[in-house]
Amino acid sequence: GESVGLHLPTLSVQEGDNSIINCAYSNSASDYFIWYKQESGKGPQFIIDIRSNMDKRQGQRVTVLLNKTVKHLSLQIAATQPGDSAVYFCAENIGDTGRRALTFGSGTRLQVQP
Amino acid sequence: DTEVTQTPKHLVMGMTNKKSLKCEQHMGHRAMYWYKQKAKKPPELMFVYSYEKLSINESVPSRFSPECPNSSLLNLHLHALQPEDSALYLCASSQDGPGDRGEQYFGPGTRLTVT
Repeated sequence: GESVGLHLPTLSVQEGDNSIINCAYSNSASDYFIWYKQESGKGPQFIIDIRSNMDKRQGQRVTVLLNKTVKHLSLQIAATQPGDSAVYFCAENIGDTGRRALTFGSGTRLQVQP
Repeated sequence: DTEVTQTPKHLVMGMTNKKSLKCEQHMGHRAMYWYKQKAKKPPELMFVYSYEKLSINESVPSRFSPECPNSSLLNLHLHALQPEDSALYLCASSQDGPGDRGEQYFGPGTRLTVT
């Protein structure tokens, strides 16, 4: 999502529904992508990652999809729970050993309604 | 142990003060990072250390001075900061070995307020 001023884009879902959070990345040379979850007052927490030679990877209740043609990444959360409420960032990794750096997307706030 | 620890959790300092932020990890990771995060914004990379050597400095003002005393510790020395430097400062670490994907583990951050 794109941030607008000081407001994060927000996705509101009902508990039990599936959530899809989208991200556009900028560098076609990026070889590795990560989704992070950040709860209020905490540091980013790793959720799932994917290499650029894959287009889909599944974890527990989460799936990441990568479309390199349009430089788009998505995070799907199945059966969303109140504990999933947080800000979600995609990050792209550029660089080799010793010079790796993550560039973060602008973030999406997920609100789960009980 | 997959934890990155940071101290202090909160810090309030005046513009003439000198203070330091500390970060520690015991995962055997050889790369450590400092990020700055403003409210409602994503983390922005400041510095990268690989094998205790500074490998990336993202044009950070000299009032921020990083130090990596050993492979487990990372410090950020602060001097003559400005109010706009108030932010959450995040430390992260990663393996940084051959074949490593670059997955970074983050600490909880230090909430810095400059008055």
